[in-house]
Amino acid sequence: ETGVTQTPRHLVMGMTNKKSLKCEQHLGHNAMYWYKQSAKKPLELMFVYNFKEQTENNSVPSRFSPECPNSSHLFLHLHTLQPEDSALYLCASSQQGAQGEAFFGQGTRLTVV
Amino acid sequence: GEDVEQSLFLSVREGDSSVINCTYTDSSSTYLYWYKQEPGAGLQLLTYIFSNMDMKQDQRLTVLLNKKDKHLSLRIADTQTGDSAIYFCAEWGGGSYIPTFGRGTSLIVHP
Repeated sequence: ETGVTQTPRHLVMGMTNKKSLKCEQHLGHNAMYWYKQSAKKPLELMFVYNFKEQTENNSVPSRFSPECPNSSHLFLHLHTLQPEDSALYLCASSQQGAQGEAFFGQGTRLTVV
Repeated sequence: GEDVEQSLFLSVREGDSSVINCTYTDSSSTYLYWYKQEPGAGLQLLTYIFSNMDMKQDQRLTVLLNKKDKHLSLRIADTQTGDSAIYFCAEWGGGSYIPTFGRGTSLIVHP
């Protein structure tokens, strides 16, 4: 248990569906991240929130929409996804200004059919 | 930009030592980390080393840092089947709040 909780753990959705991934941390961290991990590809940073402000968007398609309502919660809203978006989506958090290591959630395994 | 390189696969026999290597390019890296990812799970922080250190030992794990060559290694002594996983090297620092990860090394431990 790392202190970062992601729900759901598994999600199957059709290409016309709308769904959301949730991430929650109770570590008092001020930065949160979304990563995408696909088979045989490097870990891809998608979004970074620092003090609830989005500071990075690594050319992610608009069908992925992040939301950070407070420093403990991070969402990834999904709509009209493609089969190639199937992957493990990982959330992480860290404390900027301190040692800074990132703590990861268990991930959401997303399958787009 | 910053880059972190790792070999993709390592196969060892149970009981032997494993050495996973990593090179990085950002000379201003402050912290260097090793993460472990078991199948279907997230990344778990294993150990870390500050850039002003050259070695850190933690039970079966030994981290070596060669700052001149920007080379980091993780040695696992007496490797067990439960050590089979993907190991990620990551660097952090130089004013960035975003860690840079390597592609991960798949460690396979066979009897």
